[in-house]
Amino acid sequence: GENVEQHPSTLSVQEGDSAVIKCTYSDSASNYFPWYKQELGKRPQLIIDIRSNVGEKKDQRIAVTLNKTAKHFSLHITETQPEDSAVYFCAASKEMDSSYKLIFGSGTRLLVRP
Amino acid sequence: DAGVTQSPTHLIKTRGQHVTLRCSPISGHKSVSWYQQVLGQGPQFIFQYYEKEERGRGNFPDRFSARQFPNYSSELNVNALLLGDSALYLCASRLPGQGSEQYFGPGTRLTVT
Repeated sequence: GENVEQHPSTLSVQEGDSAVIKCTYSDSASNYFPWYKQELGKRPQLIIDIRSNVGEKKDQRIAVTLNKTAKHFSLHITETQPEDSAVYFCAASKEMDSSYKLIFGSGTRLLVRP
Repeated sequence: DAGVTQSPTHLIKTRGQHVTLRCSPISGHKSVSWYQQVLGQGPQFIFQYYEKEERGRGNFPDRFSARQFPNYSSELNVNALLLGDSALYLCASRLPGQGSEQYFGPGTRLTVT
């Protein structure tokens, strides 16, 4: 069945360092890969996404890369700040007009030490 | 414009009882999805509805059911509650078509004792 694996489960970095979170997906028909940030007790918030026709996308300190052949995608956060501390989820989806579901990874708890 | 809203915010039920959770999508959004998020895990897809029809179902037992109303709001029903049903239930809405972001509601925290 459809599956998304996410690593690592926890990640601790010093403020200013970079953080990398990696995911692999099983369904080769997946074409949309969002990343969500979830703070304690809050809803998941979309921080960046990438579609299968693009290999890399950047938004300020955040970037996502996609390797369709290997079915891997990664989140890169540079110059980390304490407010980046949260749980990050990757997800994969086959984006169609009326049918849509996200398969989430198990999450990475990121701690940025001041 | 209001975001996705859910009610109630918290709920405590006893094993064997039934629960109904409610969701109102963003105005204009015709697609509503439900996810279950057990503590420490990623959200798990339960259902998706579009134009009042079920368009997707996750790997959940028949105790879980849902429906979408003409105003695109939705209900998630869970019968014969088990302790393992304790979770945050998230509703999300989006416009149809590629390129549309899915917006999550604040969730309903269900505790089954």
